[in-house]
Amino acid sequence: EPEVTQTPSHQVTQMGQEVILRCVPISNHLYFYWYRQILGQKVEFLVSFYNNEISEKSEIFDDQFSVERPDGSNFTLKIRSTKLEDSAMYFCASRAQGNTGELFFGEGSRLTVL
Amino acid sequence: GDSVTQMEGPVTLSEEAFLTINCTYTATGYPSLFWYVQYPGEGLQLLLKATKADDKGSNKGFEATYRKETTSFHLEKGSVQVSDSAVYFCALSPYSNYQLIWGAGTKLIIKP
Repeated sequence: EPEVTQTPSHQVTQMGQEVILRCVPISNHLYFYWYRQILGQKVEFLVSFYNNEISEKSEIFDDQFSVERPDGSNFTLKIRSTKLEDSAMYFCASRAQGNTGELFFGEGSRLTVL
Repeated sequence: GDSVTQMEGPVTLSEEAFLTINCTYTATGYPSLFWYVQYPGEGLQLLLKATKADDKGSNKGFEATYRKETTSFHLEKGSVQVSDSAVYFCALSPYSNYQLIWGAGTKLIIKP
């Protein structure tokens, strides 16, 4: 069964360092998303991406964040200068065109900022 | 704005007990409604969904009915198993876009 894969599963970094989280969406999907879940809190929308550009982003997705689809298969989330409060589980999701909003999620990448 | 409220956990039940996890929503328009499950150490998996009023989503013995009159989408299962222990998230997808708006999650603990 096709699945969304994310790497790394866990990354520990120092405050101020750049982090890139990688995702391989399901191959025929056209819409891509990043969500995050701070420990003990709700899952929060970060950004959606379609046709090689950001379609929507939340207030959380500030200038420190960027997304890219560099090669037609990977979908990356970059955090330029990590802060302690960026520590969270980051989930990538993808969706096929024309369905009713069902997202397929990866297993998440846990980011710990020290 | 749109929002989802679900009952706080943890919910602790014995095996074979009846389960209800309440979920209510606030939304303009006609959202789709979802239950996602997160097993320990794993990602978010779609459990079931309903896309219009009175639809019933079902999967793995779980059911939820989209009730527009009460703006609810309560999750039920007739006889829970230890393997159902997980965190359950209610979510909605607004009609106008496909962002998911999430409830806080309800941790379910099933004791043998």
